[in-house]
Amino acid sequence: DVKVTQSSRYLVKRTGEKVFLECVQDMDHENMFWYRQDPGLGLRLIYFSYDVKMKEKGDIPEGYSVSREKKERFSLILESASTNQTSMYLCASSGTGVGHMNTEAFFGQGTRLTVV
Amino acid sequence: AQSVAQPEDQVNVAEGNPLTVKCTYSVSGNPYLFWYVQYPNRGLQFLLKYITGDNLVKGSYGFEAEFNKSQTSFHLKKPSALVSDSALYFCAVNGNNRKLIWGLGTSLAVNP
Repeated sequence: DVKVTQSSRYLVKRTGEKVFLECVQDMDHENMFWYRQDPGLGLRLIYFSYDVKMKEKGDIPEGYSVSREKKERFSLILESASTNQTSMYLCASSGTGVGHMNTEAFFGQGTRLTVV
Repeated sequence: AQSVAQPEDQVNVAEGNPLTVKCTYSVSGNPYLFWYVQYPNRGLQFLLKYITGDNLVKGSYGFEAEFNKSQTSFHLKKPSALVSDSALYFCAVNGNNRKLIWGLGTSLAVNP
């Protein structure tokens, strides 16, 4: 069974903290993505990566960075957490080709982050 | 501009009745189209996709979708709804800059 695992289901962090969200996939996928999901706004792409050490900005990269040192792992970093980053964060991976033109993405369970 | 529209925020249907969740898109070139479902407090699960070929695509859990190029639509359908189909449904289309473009989602409620 294909699997995308996010390290935490729920996190509570304080304003100004540096926050790490980890995502691991076991499908040898090339492409990995971080989204945030907010009510009424759907899914918004933060960053994606189509190869190790490669990253591209999505639609809302401000306040975030990413790291992909190994193919199976894609980390999202909130450099200095703020209350407007309270959200559901979803990691996804997909298989072949640059980007994810015609291959479906597999999602993790999500991390609900609350910044207080 | 490339976009995906899900014109209904919520769809209500009685159990056993057919359901339709609508999706229209605007992209240049030939689109790749996807439907995903999200159950409460879960990640998204892939349902089905259209790449090329037959306009009627069959997917998981008895769902199907019809690609209509002239109407730029990709509506999700099921002949007989189940209460367990109640969830949030997302339509997505590939963008030519390698990113998926997502609709805002439609909440489906199937009433017993």
